[in-house]
Amino acid sequence: GENVEQHPSTLSVQEGDSAVIKCTYSDSASNYFPWYKQELGKRPQLIIDIRSNVGEKKDQRIAVTLNKTAKHFSLHITETQPEDSAVYFCAPKLTGGGNKLTFGTGTQLKVEL
Amino acid sequence: DGGITQSPKYLFRKEGQNVTLSCEQNLNHDAMYWYRQDPGQGLRLIYYSQIVNDFQKGDIAEGYSVSREKKESFPLTVTSAQKNPTAFYLCASSRSTGTYYNEQFFGPGTRLTVL
Repeated sequence: GENVEQHPSTLSVQEGDSAVIKCTYSDSASNYFPWYKQELGKRPQLIIDIRSNVGEKKDQRIAVTLNKTAKHFSLHITETQPEDSAVYFCAPKLTGGGNKLTFGTGTQLKVEL
Repeated sequence: DGGITQSPKYLFRKEGQNVTLSCEQNLNHDAMYWYRQDPGQGLRLIYYSQIVNDFQKGDIAEGYSVSREKKESFPLTVTSAQKNPTAFYLCASSRSTGTYYNEQFFGPGTRLTVL
């Protein structure tokens, strides 16, 4: 099965700094790479995703980069704000097995004032 | 936040009892999923269904059962065979596997506590 590792497990940054979370996966045929954000007490929500034919995608302060050769993809948050504090999950999708995502163990991001 | 609902929000169960968690969606999604979330372990897939009257085991299906008799509904039963059922359970749905777009939409979750 798919092995997914996410690092770091916790990350603390000062407001305005950048944050980077990395996700590595074992299935070289994976073709869809989303990031979900889960605020405290709330449901996970998709914040950005990337597909295997693209190397980078940006949406305002967040970006995702993909390195298929090395089998990892990263979430980048710039100019962090207190509302960015949450748990972030990567969830690469296998090429087979339907629309099944394999979630990483999560990264607790804390943005300090 | 609308579109996919779960009930109840909190559920207490005595050891040895079966309990059923509800999940309903009005997004016209073909695929539905059940995840279990424990501290420090992310989301683990219990069961998923890509179409009505069909479902597949996920990574931790033992002690759980599901049904998919209607497109809108995907109830999860936690049986007495589940060794450690206390957890937060999340239901999700997405468009069919044949489409390019794979976003999963989550319900608000049910927190199950076994007493």
